[in-house]
Amino acid sequence: SQQGEEDPQALSIQEGENATMNCSYKTSINNLQWYRQNSGRGLVHLILIRSNEREKHSGRLRVTLDTSKKSSSLLITASRAADTASYFCATDGGSQGNLIFGKGTKLSVKP
Amino acid sequence: DTAVSQTPKYLVTQMGNDKSIKCEQNLGHDTMYWYKQDSKKFLKIMFSYNNKELIINETVPNRFSPKSPDKAHLNLHINSLELGDSAVYFCASSYRTAITFFGQGTRLTVV
Repeated sequence: SQQGEEDPQALSIQEGENATMNCSYKTSINNLQWYRQNSGRGLVHLILIRSNEREKHSGRLRVTLDTSKKSSSLLITASRAADTASYFCATDGGSQGNLIFGKGTKLSVKP
Repeated sequence: DTAVSQTPKYLVTQMGNDKSIKCEQNLGHDTMYWYKQDSKKFLKIMFSYNNKELIINETVPNRFSPKSPDKAHLNLHINSLELGDSAVYFCASSYRTAITFFGQGTRLTVV
């Protein structure tokens, strides 16, 4: 069963603007991750946040996690055309280590 | 060096055929996976192999069979291909942590 749900499904912004994507999940987690997928390519890991963390930064990325609301957000600051991609949140679904993905947010950054 | 490589990148075949997709990882990971991404970009786990043991098998038809000759390889065999099997198949690997590395994907088209 699907764990994460991202919103919005699609987001179009201008270069330089910030992009915020949200993710909700249904069950308890050990960690939550965000991945990027460029068109026609594989998924690339961006950032992992553990269940006991509330916020994490990596370069222009900022991730927050609210386990009480079972939600996370990914903020990309000062977006660039190269950030155009689909972004997925993923949670650890069980002890086997597989990820359970949301439906993704398609981000388009216009130059 | 490519961390997770899968071949072929594109595969076009007729209904009823049998095909294989190969996957290799050079990261020393102990768990490998196959994910399926449908036309709506939804990613779902198909199989997981840990130390050459199948540990996940979701509701995948038995026409799909993973084969792992060693820890670095997890191939996917598909028998009697159907139109509905058309999708992008991703191989991935991880080691103890949840960070998962993905291959570039194999776009399978059944005609």
